[in-house]
Amino acid sequence: GQQVMQIPQYQHVQEGEDFTTYCNSSTTLSNIQWYKQRPGGHPVFLIQLVKSGEVKKQKRLTFQFGEAKKNSSLHITATQTTDVGTYFCAHPGWNTGNQFYFGTGTSLTVIP
Amino acid sequence: DAGITQSPRHKVTETGTPVTLRCHQTENHRYMYWYRQDPGHGLRLIHYSYGVKDTDKGEVSDGYSVSRSKTEDFLLTLESATSSQTSVYFCAISEGRQGETQYFGPGTRLLVL
Repeated sequence: GQQVMQIPQYQHVQEGEDFTTYCNSSTTLSNIQWYKQRPGGHPVFLIQLVKSGEVKKQKRLTFQFGEAKKNSSLHITATQTTDVGTYFCAHPGWNTGNQFYFGTGTSLTVIP
Repeated sequence: DAGITQSPRHKVTETGTPVTLRCHQTENHRYMYWYRQDPGHGLRLIHYSYGVKDTDKGEVSDGYSVSRSKTEDFLLTLESATSSQTSVYFCAISEGRQGETQYFGPGTRLLVL
């Protein structure tokens, strides 16, 4: 079953505020991916983290992979209404080559 | 967006009837997946395929079967639909290397009455 816990489940922020979502695993992950799903849309790949302690940035989005490779975070600086959607983390399974397990997602609402 | 289509996009059916959902890709990717998405559960893998006629179960495979007779097509069948299978179904593809990015189709909304 699912191996990662994702928190919070919902987050409402005023436009311009920051937002962070977290994924936590009880076991070490080989890599972690982040996806965004707009309301009524399909998940879209954002980024993949592979190395311990890795930090990657995409404009206002900052992704981190923990030193122990058991947790990851996505931080959005100064949210905009275009950031609305659900953010999922995902990781590959251990005993099968290409199965993926998704977190339950964090739904972000941005209040103008 | 990757070349992935799903059909139908919406379907309403009755309990006990068979239903087949189709996923078609034009990317020639080796791996194809079927997920269901339900509130509070995120995306859960139903079945996946790692080549023509090569399929395997995911974490929620009961009540579903799949077939892949061509690289580009992956079919999901509900032999006898139940109300618990009301969901949004997404197909995804990936090239096949470990941990490869997945590209998702637009989804099929299925309502079982």
